[in-house]
Amino acid sequence: GAGVSQTPSNKVTEKGKYVELRCDPISGHTALYWYRQSLGQGPEFLIYFQGTGAADDSGLPNDRFFAVRPEGSVSTLKIQRTERGDSAVYLCASSLTSGGETQYFGPGTRLLVL
Amino acid sequence: AQSVTQLGSHVSVSEGALVLLRCNYSSSVPPYLFWYVQYPNQGLQLLLKYTTGATLVKGINGFEAEFKKSETSFHLTKPSAHMSDAAEYFCAVSDHGRGKLIFGQGTELSVKP
Repeated sequence: GAGVSQTPSNKVTEKGKYVELRCDPISGHTALYWYRQSLGQGPEFLIYFQGTGAADDSGLPNDRFFAVRPEGSVSTLKIQRTERGDSAVYLCASSLTSGGETQYFGPGTRLLVL
Repeated sequence: AQSVTQLGSHVSVSEGALVLLRCNYSSSVPPYLFWYVQYPNQGLQLLLKYTTGATLVKGINGFEAEFKKSETSFHLTKPSAHMSDAAEYFCAVSDHGRGKLIFGQGTELSVKP
């Protein structure tokens, strides 16, 4: 079956602009996670959803970052007033539940802020 | 707070040699432990995971890892390296039942012919 998909695969934007990154999880997976991976680093947790609600948003770096999952499936990560430091690969993962189940990762969106 | 330390940002082995990638974790609750592999320009793929039960865990592509609570370690091994094993490897920990993964900084494995 289809895995986790993310769009766009690459995004180039200018400092100060708004961007949206989309994640389509595996069908039937109730938990969805966002991570950010900077060059040469491991992924860093941002936020995760159980169903439609954000169960843990402790990793969001500041209030410029926001994520939604209105129907409990597709999720959008939104970044306002982008900064050069936001440049990274944004990874999405999904799992059947949030209780320690295996997380399946998408290929990521590479964001470059000029 | 949980944390993961991977010793060695870069490991180089010869084809056919033993692969040993080190991972130590810190957790105040029984951890779930994971190893993921990332090939260039691809997403993370699960190699293996430990949740409960048997401490020696076998994964895909001939890899295995042993959970040692007394040493707070979860080292990844493979008896004989293959050229196709060259990739970035990440160790991760999660709280039992909490979901989010805390990753180490990664170890890049190079395999020499």
